[in-house]
Amino acid sequence: NAGVTQTPKFRILKIGQSMTLQCTQDMNHNYMYWYRQDPGMGLKLIYYSVGAGITDKGEVPNGYNVSRSTTEDFPLRLELAAPSQTSVYFCATIFNYGYTFGSGTRLTVV
Amino acid sequence: RKEVEQDPGPFNVPEGATVAFNCTYSNSASQSFFWYRQDCRKEPKLLMSVYSSGNEDGRFTAQLNRASQYISLLIRDSKLSDSATYLCVVNRDRDDKIIFGKGTRLHILP
Repeated sequence: NAGVTQTPKFRILKIGQSMTLQCTQDMNHNYMYWYRQDPGMGLKLIYYSVGAGITDKGEVPNGYNVSRSTTEDFPLRLELAAPSQTSVYFCATIFNYGYTFGSGTRLTVV
Repeated sequence: RKEVEQDPGPFNVPEGATVAFNCTYSNSASQSFFWYRQDCRKEPKLLMSVYSSGNEDGRFTAQLNRASQYISLLIRDSKLSDSATYLCVVNRDRDDKIIFGKGTRLHILP
């Protein structure tokens, strides 16, 4: 039982490149979330999903896209990377208000 | 006023001392409150929920003051391993969104 798995752990992108951050959970939870955390700042919600086939925007969705074709997977897509997207990205599920986070993806856009 | 506010610290506390943090929230209808712990370069992990009557888990005590709209975390007999950032989390009931504070950094000094 791995919980929430994120890949990759680290990535450096050039401006304008695209990439997909992968997130998989094996807890069969319906709710999944993507957060970003900038240095010294709190977590900001990018997108979330309440179940397969359902996604919704969070606080800072611009520049990102998501999909939820299965309960297990919730990938986050960056289409045209910008320096402002340099951050640590956390995927999470929730059960009875208790979040389980993945270990994060550190993304640098140069 | 921000929805969830925390003193960013850092709190530099000698080992064995007692330390307390407060977190204020702006939505008086909020019902659910939590403390999360985040180690440097790691994902947040649930430390404890905060109940109306207050609750204790070993050296940690959480309190809720609805009248003044704040929650607190007390750590007794602090250990070096308590060094981390402590995040206050509030459930915003009107739309069931969960809001993270920016965190309070704690350094336990030997």
